[in-house]
Amino acid sequence: NAGVTQTPKFRILKIGQSMTLQCTQDMNHNYMYWYRQDPGMGLKLIYYSVGAGITDKGEVPNGYNVSRSTTEDFPLRLELAAPSQTSVYFCASGEGQGRNQPQHFGDGTRLSIL
Amino acid sequence: GDSVTQMEGPVTLSEEAFLTINCTYTATGYPSLFWYVQYPGEGLQLLLKATKADDKGSNKGFEATYRKETTSFHLEKGSVQVSDSAVYFCALTGSLPQGGSEKLVFGKGTKLTVNP
Repeated sequence: NAGVTQTPKFRILKIGQSMTLQCTQDMNHNYMYWYRQDPGMGLKLIYYSVGAGITDKGEVPNGYNVSRSTTEDFPLRLELAAPSQTSVYFCASGEGQGRNQPQHFGDGTRLSIL
Repeated sequence: GDSVTQMEGPVTLSEEAFLTINCTYTATGYPSLFWYVQYPGEGLQLLLKATKADDKGSNKGFEATYRKETTSFHLEKGSVQVSDSAVYFCALTGSLPQGGSEKLVFGKGTKLTVNP
């Protein structure tokens, strides 16, 4: 029962490098989300998707891009890594729009930009 | 905008002690309220939820009641165990800037350590 799978678990990047954080879910959820978690802070929404081919910005989208070509996959792209992007990134999925619907989270990707 | 305020941590308790983690919120409309738990090295897991005023969510001995009059959703457990050591997040459903779909608005989290 995989749920939401994120890769890699850890990564160190140099300033200006690019990388893609992978996220896959096997629950056939339409809704998917990317959050970042900074030390001592709650999670902030970066981007979200309500279905394949549809994405939109959350609270803190600058410096990131996403795509959603399939229901299962929702990768997050960093084009020019900056120290401010050092954080733990969580992908989540949900069954749909609705105030009762919980979100299911992956184990996170810990990213350091040096 | 919507926001969640949790009590500052860390909280350290002895096994079998009573736990309260305070959570208050500011929101327009009538949000659903959640408690998520994050164990070391893992993602967040839903602990319990409440969808309307006076609802009580409960799971694994934890409880929280949706209090609209005090805009609160405090987490309680009568007797904590070492295995309850984790970070606890209070959250509510809030509207996205573009409208339509909903997002989760999180508090900053409260780290709980339970000693044997």
